[in-house]
Amino acid sequence: DAGVTQSPTHLIKTRGQQVTLRCSPKSGHDTVSWYQQALGQGPQFIFQYYEEEERQRGNFPDRFSGHQFPNYSSELNVNALLLGDSALYLCASRRQGASNQPQHFGDGTRLSIL
Amino acid sequence: AQSVAQPEDQVNVAEGNPLTVKCTYSVSGNPYLFWYVQYPNRGLQFLLKYITGDNLVKGSYGFEAEFNKSQTSFHLKKPSALVSDSALYFCAVRVHSGTYKYIFGTGTRLKVLA
Repeated sequence: DAGVTQSPTHLIKTRGQQVTLRCSPKSGHDTVSWYQQALGQGPQFIFQYYEEEERQRGNFPDRFSGHQFPNYSSELNVNALLLGDSALYLCASRRQGASNQPQHFGDGTRLSIL
Repeated sequence: AQSVAQPEDQVNVAEGNPLTVKCTYSVSGNPYLFWYVQYPNRGLQFLLKYITGDNLVKGSYGFEAEFNKSQTSFHLKKPSALVSDSALYFCAVRVHSGTYKYIFGTGTRLKVLA
């Protein structure tokens, strides 16, 4: 049973570029959340997707957008990259309705902006 | 504002000694509390959770945590530390605002010395 998988594992971009990160949730999970973890910090909630809609959003600008597909996988898009966007981006999944169960995290995508 | 605080950036303990990693929270209503561990270049792994019931919660790898409502704390403990326990530990609280999202502390680096 595969857990949460994210791709790519590492990515290097330059300022102003755009990036797309991908996430496949754990089998049986239908809700995907994205987090940004800057160096030395805890994960910060970006947004959550369920039934292909953004359900909740953290304090991130519109440059951060996402999508969820019918197979529950998800993408995170970041436009007009800034140096401050350098971070580990984590995807977490859970099953809607299993409110007492924890989220499961992928190993993340390390994004470096030059 | 709802928040989680981990007052110690780093905790050092000798192998075989008991360890405690501290966490306090500020939320409205009854808290759902979690501990996660992060190893280098990996995502977060779930350790344990408190939803309701007994204040002492047992989790993975011999870890346990004590929920104290009056002190709004949820400290992580282990009776006998192992060198392999050295990692970054995050406390999190789940909050509900239309849907669920997690708020993480800034993390505590645990170093177990042989």
